[in-house]
Amino acid sequence: AQKITQTQPGMFVQEKEAVTLDCTYDTSDQSYGLFWYKQPSSGEMIFLIYQGSYDEQNATEGRYSLNFQKARKSANLVISASQLGDSAMYFCAMRGDDYKLSFGAGTTVTVRA
Amino acid sequence: DGGITQSPKYLFRKEGQNVTLSCEQNLNHDAMYWYRQDPGQGLRLIYYSQIVNDFQKGDIAEGYSVSREKKESFPLTVTSAQKNPTAFYLCASRLGQRRVGKQPQHFGDGTRLSIL
Repeated sequence: AQKITQTQPGMFVQEKEAVTLDCTYDTSDQSYGLFWYKQPSSGEMIFLIYQGSYDEQNATEGRYSLNFQKARKSANLVISASQLGDSAMYFCAMRGDDYKLSFGAGTTVTVRA
Repeated sequence: DGGITQSPKYLFRKEGQNVTLSCEQNLNHDAMYWYRQDPGQGLRLIYYSQIVNDFQKGDIAEGYSVSREKKESFPLTVTSAQKNPTAFYLCASRLGQRRVGKQPQHFGDGTRLSIL
């Protein structure tokens, strides 16, 4: 069984600053993948970034980067230069059997002007 | 434009009634998924389908049913057996090429279901 833990229910960040969202996971699989999604108040889920368990480098996509520490089983998302439009709920998810996703409880980010 | 269309956006169910949520995709994706999201929580998998005419139960399948008669369509029926159906329902699809593990699931805009 796989488990994703996001321990920060909500965070505030000042515009233009960076914010780190925590994600830890538990799995017995040797090969797995980790995804981050953004969910604005409108409800749609937007794919942000992916990290494979065998990827040697941390993933980056524009202002998003993933701090992957395999030994600690953590995959934290870093959003740099926060913008007002980054205010949303953020979910960490793990790919399992049949490519199903297991989601964490999410972290709400509020960007202040 | 390619994408996933869920309808209706809002749905109300009377007690004892079955309701069906529509999910259509024109991305030519093989795999499709249904998730339930309760307020302030993460997504939980209801059902998923890897190919046409085949589907599997997820973590919370009780009270729900699905069909996959066409590649582009994966409707979800919330039956009267589901005693607490009020939630936000999200449909997703994925290309399905097993060797490409980094392929993300793409989501529709969701359907909000409430009890009258």
